[in-house]
Amino acid sequence: GENVEQHPSTLSVQEGDSAVIKCTYSDSASNYFPWYKQELGKRPQLIIDIRSNVGEKKDQRIAVTLNKTAKHFSLHITETQPEDSAVYFCAASGLGGSQGNLIFGKGTKLSVKP
Amino acid sequence: SAVISQKPSRDICQRGTSLTIQCQVDSQVTMMFWYRQQPGQSLTLIATANQGSEATYESGFVIDKFPISRPNLTFSTLTVSNMSPEDSSIYLCSVVYATEAFFGQGTRLTVV
Repeated sequence: GENVEQHPSTLSVQEGDSAVIKCTYSDSASNYFPWYKQELGKRPQLIIDIRSNVGEKKDQRIAVTLNKTAKHFSLHITETQPEDSAVYFCAASGLGGSQGNLIFGKGTKLSVKP
Repeated sequence: SAVISQKPSRDICQRGTSLTIQCQVDSQVTMMFWYRQQPGQSLTLIATANQGSEATYESGFVIDKFPISRPNLTFSTLTVSNMSPEDSSIYLCSVVYATEAFFGQGTRLTVV
């Protein structure tokens, strides 16, 4: 089945700096790659996603890139702010490309220092 | 978006007992998903629940331990059976609506 690796497990940056989180996946049939932000004690919330027919997607300070050949995708946060501090999870769709049975990476705890 | 109501939000249970978690969605959805998130860890998919058929379980999870019901397109339950302290975790249901996955608020289970 699908396996998603995520790095780093923790990331500390100064406010205003950029943060990059990287994930690799194993199943070449996966075609949907969302990123979730989870604040302490809250449910995961989708922040951005990308499908396999697109190489890059941006939404204000957040961008995601996808390299299908290498089977890796990355989250880029620019001009980080303290409220960006949270745990971020990457995910990939499971076998068959269904978008619901997501396989998650282990998460990255991002700390943005004021 | 889809609004998911999950209950209970938390519970403390005795070992050997069972707990049923309910998940209600405000829209009809084909599949509902159940995840487990242990403290400080990632989300692990337990099973996929389709209406009118048996749930599909991921490796390491079995129906006898985590029976699932899906009586209609807006509701599902997950039962954690014969609980042990190792079952202490947060359990979340999820649905896909308009290509986005939404999560319930989670059930924090503590087994003593």
